[in-house]
Order: sequence, then structure tokens, then C-alpha cells
Amino acid sequence: GENVEQHPSTLSVQEGDSAVIKCTYSDSASNYFPWYKQELGKRPQLIIDIRSNVGEKKDQRIAVTLNKTAKHFSLHITETQPEDSAVYFCAASLYNNNDMRFGAGTRLTVKP
Amino acid sequence: NAGVTQTPKFQVLKTGQSMTLQCAQDMNHNSMYWYRQDPGMGLRLIYYSASEGTTDKGEVPNGYNVSRLNKREFSLRLESAAPSQTSVYFCASKQGGALNTEAFFGQGTRLTVV
Repeated sequence: GENVEQHPSTLSVQEGDSAVIKCTYSDSASNYFPWYKQELGKRPQLIIDIRSNVGEKKDQRIAVTLNKTAKHFSLHITETQPEDSAVYFCAASLYNNNDMRFGAGTRLTVKP
Repeated sequence: NAGVTQTPKFQVLKTGQSMTLQCAQDMNHNSMYWYRQDPGMGLRLIYYSASEGTTDKGEVPNGYNVSRLNKREFSLRLESAAPSQTSVYFCASKQGGALNTEAFFGQGTRLTVV
């Protein structure tokens, strides 16, 4: 099955700074890459996703980039705010394969 | 529209006891999942079901069994609980297939095995 590695495991930034979280995947056939945010004591929720036919996608302060050749993708958060503090998970899967594997997560802390 | 509902929210078991975690979704999704979440290890896939009547092992299936009772319900059973199964368990569902999009999670079940 797919193996997803995520770095760093913890990240601390000052409010207003940018944060970058990186993931690598093992199966070159994977073509769907979502990112989930999990606030303390809550369930994970999708914040952005990207498919293999595009290299970058933006949604306000968050963006995801994908490098299929290197098999890695990254989450970028600009102008961080305290409410961005959470655990972020990346995942990888195939369009027609429902086996969805997650990275180990990154705990982001934004200091006011 | 409740989304994905898990029961129970909390459970304490003694080693060797059995129990079933229940999950139901009302979004008419084809695919359903069970994950466990442990500190520093993220969300690890236990079992999934791509459609009614099918189930497949994930990365950590040992000690668990599942049943896709119908399109709405997907249960996870621990036949003989062990302390290593202390974890937070999440059920999730998504449309799957060519419309491989957002997965929706239940609120989680915090299980402690003593």
C-alpha cells in the first residue's frame, strides 16, 4: 500500500509568519492529495486538496504544491493566525482506489 | 443531516473483553473507513470498505474485524481487547471511485483498555 511521510512533526511560528509542511509518498500512481486540519479534541476536516493534473492550488491564505516527479507535495500557510494552531495531516490515494493513507501529522503552533 | 455518527464516544474495557464500535453515515457515500489515532503516529488505516458487501485490510488490521452491514453502516469489532488497542478511533466516509473527494469523519471514540 501507499506510504506517506510527513515533516516536520512539530512546527512553531510567530503570528504573521508563513508555515510550510512537506509530505512524500511512495506510490507513483497516486493522484489525489488532500490536507486535513484537526483542532484539539475535534475531528479532522478537509482544508484543501490537489489532483495530479495540476501543480499548485490556492485558497486564500493556504496553498498546496505538488511535484509528481519527486513524489512530494507541500502545504503553505501565509500570514498565520493563532486559529491556525492545529494538527495537519496530508494523505495520498488513487482516484479509483479507496485505500487512503495519511501522514503522521504536524502539530502547528502559532504564537501571538 | 448528521454526517458521520459514531457510538460510543468513550469506552473503557478490560483486557480480553469484546466490543463493537458502530458507525453510520447519511450522505449516501460508497466508501467507509476505520482509522486509529495514536500520539505521534497520525491516522492509521485499520479497514475500509469500498462499497456495500466489500471490505479490505488497511495497514493495521490485526486484532480487528469489520462488517459493512449496509450502505449506511460500517462496524468495527474487537474480539479480545488488548492494552495496545487503547486509542482514539475514527470512522470516515466518502463518495469514492472516480469522484475521489472529501472524506468526512465521525467525532471519534476514545477507547481505553486496562
